[in-house]
Amino acid sequence: AQSVTQPDIHITVSEGASLELRCNYSYGATPYLFWYVQSPGQGLQLLLKYFSGDTLVQGIKGFEAEFKRSQSSFNLRKPSVHWSDAAEYFCAVGNAGGTSYGKLTFGQGTILTVHP
Amino acid sequence: NAGVTQTPKFRVLKTGQSMTLLCAQDMNHEYMYWYRQDPGMGLRLIHYSVGEGTTAKGEVPDGYNVSRLKKQNFLLGLESAAPSQTSVYFCASSYRGYNQPQHFGDGTRLSIL
Repeated sequence: AQSVTQPDIHITVSEGASLELRCNYSYGATPYLFWYVQSPGQGLQLLLKYFSGDTLVQGIKGFEAEFKRSQSSFNLRKPSVHWSDAAEYFCAVGNAGGTSYGKLTFGQGTILTVHP
Repeated sequence: NAGVTQTPKFRVLKTGQSMTLLCAQDMNHEYMYWYRQDPGMGLRLIHYSVGEGTTAKGEVPDGYNVSRLKKQNFLLGLESAAPSQTSVYFCASSYRGYNQPQHFGDGTRLSIL
């Protein structure tokens, strides 16, 4: 069965600092990977996705993520964090195949706090 | 463009009561999903549907039932609410296919006393 681990429950950074959120997955074949962001009281919004090809993917709001098969990782990065980036971030994995029906397995989430 | 709309946004129930959560999407998506979100556990799939008239169990289906009589609507029912079902419930939808991103509603916060 596939699984996702986000090792950091809570991360605090200063505004303008760089950010890296970790995501490790367990899946036998090539996974389909997503990062979502959830602001307080809101639903989840897609930041970026990886299916195949270039292992460095660009997303919205200046975020990027790098797929590293050898490390089973899909870490999210941003070079300079803004106060509005404070939110909870979720990594998710899906699998190919006719019976997967787009189902996703989510990590536990990482709460990002941004200090001014 | 409303996207995915969930009603109600908040609800408080007593143990043993029943209720139905409604999810409506206007994007003509084939697939729809119900999740529950609990602190430190991420989102867990309750039930899902791959088309009108079809439903299937997810990771945590016990105590819930669903129906999808119309393509745009996906209903989640609690027949006899229990305190363990206190949670935030999210509905999502997507186009057919295993690589389509899911679009989420804003959630329903449900408390069972």
